Amino acid sequence: GDSVTQMEGPVTLSEEACLTINCTYTATGYPSLFWYVQYPGEGLQLLLKATKADDKGSNKGFEATYRKETTSFHLEKGSVQVSDSAVYFCALRILSNTGNQFYFGTGTSLTVIP
Amino acid sequence: DAGVIQSPRHEVTEMGQEVTLRCKPISGHDYLFWYRQTMMRGLELLIYFNNNVPIDDSGMPEDRFSAKMPNASFSTLKIQPSEPRDSAVYFCASRGKDGTDTQYFGPGTRLTVL
Repeated sequence: GDSVTQMEGPVTLSEEACLTINCTYTATGYPSLFWYVQYPGEGLQLLLKATKADDKGSNKGFEATYRKETTSFHLEKGSVQVSDSAVYFCALRILSNTGNQFYFGTGTSLTVIP
Repeated sequence: DAGVIQSPRHEVTEMGQEVTLRCKPISGHDYLFWYRQTMMRGLELLIYFNNNVPIDDSGMPEDRFSAKMPNASFSTLKIQPSEPRDSAVYFCASRGKDGTDTQYFGPGTRLTVL
């Protein structure tokens, strides 16, 4: 069935290090792909998204490219900051015969140390 | 707009008691989602509504859980009777017709069942 698999954490990086959080998906149709971020004590917020193959979503220095050939949507940032410490969720939305279906990954916790 | 509103923010109750969580979606949004987040299981979709109609409740863990959406501006998630394993953060999210596929999350209700 449709699903999202993302890299398990926790991830700990030093400030200004490069970040990659892997996300792969399984979908029978043409999903839209999302990254959500959850800061401590808060709800999830949309970080970026891509709705079709080869689209690149970007926001706050984060990027992710929708790659259909590898069914991936890896999150990347060239230089992380302490304020990026949060839990990151990969998600997909797919339109099925019963309507929109939404699937979230298990989340990857990122801690950035000064 | 105030965003998605959830109440209460924190709830502590004893096993066997009834718990009701409330959600007010963003005005004009036609999708509403209930999620549960735990350390063990991550983020789980419990149920979602479209135009006040429950579309997919396959994520509801058991008959002790029920959700209603009597109108476009209000939804409840009820647990009766509650059990310690129901302790989690419960999120409500809504999505509109703006074509962005974006879900907007509320701040969550942290439920503790003693």
